[in-house]
Amino acid sequence: QTVVTQEPSFSVSPGGTVTLTCGLRSGSVSSSYYPSWYQQTPGQAPRTLIYSTNTRSSGVPDRFSGSILGNKAALTITGAQADDESDYYCVLYVGSGPVVFGGGTKLTVL
Amino acid sequence: EVQLVQSGAEVKKPGATVKISCKVSGYMLTDYYMHWVQQAPGKGLEWMGYVDPEDGKTKYAEKFQGRVTITADTSTDTAYMELSSLRSEDTAVYYCAASGSYYYMDVWGKGTTVTVSS
Repeated sequence: QTVVTQEPSFSVSPGGTVTLTCGLRSGSVSSSYYPSWYQQTPGQAPRTLIYSTNTRSSGVPDRFSGSILGNKAALTITGAQADDESDYYCVLYVGSGPVVFGGGTKLTVL
Repeated sequence: EVQLVQSGAEVKKPGATVKISCKVSGYMLTDYYMHWVQQAPGKGLEWMGYVDPEDGKTKYAEKFQGRVTITADTSTDTAYMELSSLRSEDTAVYYCAASGSYYYMDVWGKGTTVTVSS
């Protein structure tokens, strides 16, 4: 069973930069896992930020960027704003069809 | 603009079956894959499966295999997710999400709350 790992929580100062990561309990993440990233605030549906490692979804500001850093996928938020305070989820394609969500990272802006 | 409109909240007894709909507007159902995602109260997102409306092919997460059926009715541009043998742990919000590919989700519905209680 594939387990996708994310930091449970992270904090960033307003205006600061934060990088969240998405890894595998066993193995390394590469672009062939087509990592994607989603933002969710309480009570709302998720919003797609990034897909295929680094492609921004329609309407997503360029403060959000995706990459591969070492053996993990990464989501970098620059110029953090108060309304970036959300849960962030990554998804990896594990081959033969299934996709798997990470457990999510709760980002606090303070 | 692509929009997904989901059916309303459901209350079911343990052992029952629920069927949720997701109607698309602004595009043709056959243009996109349709994924379904579960979110239990206070928990994270969990992928359940998808359907390719072009040919009806599906792929399901191992956890839901045997209990979930995802279908697409191209005549009404509506996708469906049916979950059987409901138990209390299935109490959750269920989201449909459309995408140009099977490996990510792009446009999301607002969610349908399913409560399983005796």
